[in-house]
Amino acid sequence: ETGVTQTPRHLVMGMTNKKSLKCEQHLGHNAMYWYKQSAKKPLELMFVYNFKEQTENNSVPSRFSPECPNSSHLFLHLHTLQPEDSALYLCASSQDLQGNTDTQYFGPGTRLTVL
Amino acid sequence: LAKTTQPISMDSYEGQEVNITCSHNNIATNDYITWYQQFPSQGPRFIIQGYKTKVTNEVASLFIPADRKSSTLSLPRVSLSDTAVYYCLVGDMGGGSTLGRLYFGRGTQLTVWP
Repeated sequence: ETGVTQTPRHLVMGMTNKKSLKCEQHLGHNAMYWYKQSAKKPLELMFVYNFKEQTENNSVPSRFSPECPNSSHLFLHLHTLQPEDSALYLCASSQDLQGNTDTQYFGPGTRLTVL
Repeated sequence: LAKTTQPISMDSYEGQEVNITCSHNNIATNDYITWYQQFPSQGPRFIIQGYKTKVTNEVASLFIPADRKSSTLSLPRVSLSDTAVYYCLVGDMGGGSTLGRLYFGRGTQLTVWP
């Protein structure tokens, strides 16, 4: 499925680097999400955007900075990360946050390794 | 936040029917029940959603009793490719805080053997 794309698919970075993850959805949705999935841990919601406005920040450290320039694109800017931030970062989109049957569509994820 | 409880793991053989039950004792009146499937190193994929009674699609069936305090995902005649983690989510789809309906939990690891 190519409805939600993420780049890069794999990223290795040092703790002092600055990098960005990109997510793009081609589904005409208005809500976008960032999730983190660490090894053997549940999927953790990080941020939620609805019509380009951030509606949820699930107590995420400031070294993760999201950006949503329009309803189709979502970025996650990374700086001064820690090795424990190594994980699979998943982007998702849904029609919006108001529908009674809102379904999320996920991208393939970015496998991040922090050295 | 409607908490869900699922078995950590289940095993089955090819061709069998698999039923995965999810408990959600504090489900609210406006809450829907949604199931997702996730393969390793991929994002979850929507399977089925329901509010009450029974819902069926081309992939699975979802059984919800009258009290809605639990739900059962039924996968007919599983194959090896159905080996995945299955998540049950419960939450209000009609707006407000999204955290409740976006809590995936640990899910159920289903392993299908030949």
